Amino acid sequence: AQKITQTQPGMFVQEKEAVTLDCTYDTSDQSYGLFWYKQPSSGEMIFLIYQGSYDEQNATEGRYSLNFQKARKSANLVISASQLGDSAMYFCAMREVTGNQFYFGTGTSLTVIP
Amino acid sequence: GAGVSQSPRYKVAKRGQDVALRCDPISGHVSLFWYQQALGQGPEFLTYFQNEAQLDKSGLPSDRFFAERPEGSVSTLKIQRTQQEDSAVYLCASSLLEGPNQPQHFGDGTRLSIL
Repeated sequence: AQKITQTQPGMFVQEKEAVTLDCTYDTSDQSYGLFWYKQPSSGEMIFLIYQGSYDEQNATEGRYSLNFQKARKSANLVISASQLGDSAMYFCAMREVTGNQFYFGTGTSLTVIP
Repeated sequence: GAGVSQSPRYKVAKRGQDVALRCDPISGHVSLFWYQQALGQGPEFLTYFQNEAQLDKSGLPSDRFFAERPEGSVSTLKIQRTQQEDSAVYLCASSLLEGPNQPQHFGDGTRLSIL
């Protein structure tokens, strides 16, 4: 089974609007971390936001927030007030306490329309 | 430098040649990871170091792939007798500490093309 599932290959959003990128995960660990990364066309993976499995509050970092629903095993990224520079690939990732690696989803390509 | 540095940025090699890819992690970062990213896919884990110790190499696709980090800082990923399916972007990442709450900081990657 896939550890991380991102079901939206591509998304479009109007500039200044909010957008939600979906992510579901699969783990039997009680302790794990969830991450979102942005990958522009230049290729660098940029860390955006982190959510711990024991965190009761949803994580926020500026215009980014993570809608964490533990029972549903979902960790959706919400980008508010989209900007043209937000156009990029977005990857959801997870690291389990029992393992060493990050598991990445297949990514969502976001295009912000002026 | 401030970030993770990888070199070369691009590498073209003929099938059968050996290649070496270098990663300079952020200074003081304990953990170092290598990933392979195929076109249109997310990164796939290759191997993990904690300081100089290679603690996990379960993602290395074959014995042609070898990684080292002899002094616990710079790491090299070596691919012997390259094949066309090795063509991908190879990403290096480091994190300050160990643990599931530690974000990884990535380099720009090395884009490897095997002809």
